[in-house]
Amino acid sequence: DQQVKQNSPSLSVQEGRISILNCDYTNSMFDYFLWYKKYPAEGPTFLISISSIKDKNEDGRFTVFLNKSAKHLSLHIVPSQPGDSAVYFCAASANGNEKLTFGTGTRLTIIP
Amino acid sequence: DAGITQSPRHKVTETGTPVTLRCHQTENHRYMYWYRQDPGHGLRLIHYSYGVKDTDKGEVSDGYSVSRSKTEDFLLTLESATSSQTSVYFCAIKFPGSDTQYFGPGTRLTVL
Repeated sequence: DQQVKQNSPSLSVQEGRISILNCDYTNSMFDYFLWYKKYPAEGPTFLISISSIKDKNEDGRFTVFLNKSAKHLSLHIVPSQPGDSAVYFCAASANGNEKLTFGTGTRLTIIP
Repeated sequence: DAGITQSPRHKVTETGTPVTLRCHQTENHRYMYWYRQDPGHGLRLIHYSYGVKDTDKGEVSDGYSVSRSKTEDFLLTLESATSSQTSVYFCAIKFPGSDTQYFGPGTRLTVL
């Protein structure tokens, strides 16, 4: 049972445009959500997070939106840059649980 | 930089042989994790530890064991490697009071 789903395995976006990566979850106990970015041959790096008490969190070019009623979150990157080409994973945790549940990832390619 | 190292970074072994992967951290964090990353599956938790000699299973623990005799080291052992355990293995740590996990650089394991 995939509790965190990233239904788009890949996404291509022109440089300078907005990239929108989506993530859906099924477990209503999840209350903290994270996005990680992964380059080839490297470990995932933490990008941005959001608590369920908020519906938006922004950090520079990166904004995460949370729609709790739809159990949906999205990561917006604007403007997209070639260095943003990577695999992005969303993850979730429940009630301060020490474990994270990850999605299957979306490969983002920024076209120059 | 979360001060996490993994060794070896690459390993090729044969079916049926034992393999031990090491994760080392420099900051004495309590929580440590082992994940595997496979195409189409994202990051899946194998085992985690919440202190010296305190460990618990994740979602894909069959065929793996772990040990933590010192705060700084978390070992993952494949008692008898199988081809299905060919994967990239990541170690992670969690800072106190946070749900965010930080990852090491990974170990690419090939079981022939």
